[in-house]
Amino acid sequence: DTGVSQDPRHKITKRGQNVTFRCDPISEHNRLYWYRQTLGQGPEFLTYFQNEAQLEKSRLLSDRFSAERPKGSFSTLEIQRTEQGDSAMYLCASSLRFLAGARGANVLTFGAGSRLTVL
Amino acid sequence: GEDVEQSLFLSVREGDSSVINCTYTDSSSTYLYWYKQEPGAGLQLLTYIFSNMDMKQDQRLTVLLNKKDKHLSLRIADTQTGDSAIYFCAETYSGFQKLVFGTGTRLLVSP
Repeated sequence: DTGVSQDPRHKITKRGQNVTFRCDPISEHNRLYWYRQTLGQGPEFLTYFQNEAQLEKSRLLSDRFSAERPKGSFSTLEIQRTEQGDSAMYLCASSLRFLAGARGANVLTFGAGSRLTVL
Repeated sequence: GEDVEQSLFLSVREGDSSVINCTYTDSSSTYLYWYKQEPGAGLQLLTYIFSNMDMKQDQRLTVLLNKKDKHLSLRIADTQTGDSAIYFCAETYSGFQKLVFGTGTRLLVSP
């Protein structure tokens, strides 16, 4: 397994356009997370999936953002009508947890990220 | 609430020890993590500690946890230039389901 893969690595778009990012997690991981990281800040949680179910969404995830994980494997994050404030690194991570309320360390493995620049 | 704070910058000489500090606010946090981010790369897990532990050592890394003061530190012994990166501490929140990250500490190691 090559780890968590994200595509594209860098996307430049004009304001108002739609963009989609793809994440392929580690194959045996059932959890998938999306984070956003702006310059000089730590990653901010956006949403996560347990298999194909989206279990939590941050208040940061406006109506223009939608994430899917249709078959419980890869995930897509779409941003509609992009704004300059959407410019950031979008990070995907995966982990293995058997139950929604599982205890124990939740070790996230991150991809290299997809950098979005909105002009 | 969820709030994790770190100092922004640390500069050390090669061979010295580095100590990166972190404070958190969620008293119910049970796991705390340290991640490393190199330029252009994602975050790499370095280590984590359970809240009933005071200390954890892993090769050159020592994690100290003061749960009373909600203070976490990462000590890197014999710091090398390859350790130059941004270091993030994180706590689990919302019933262990997600990690909340600090703003990161940029470590610069000079020869």
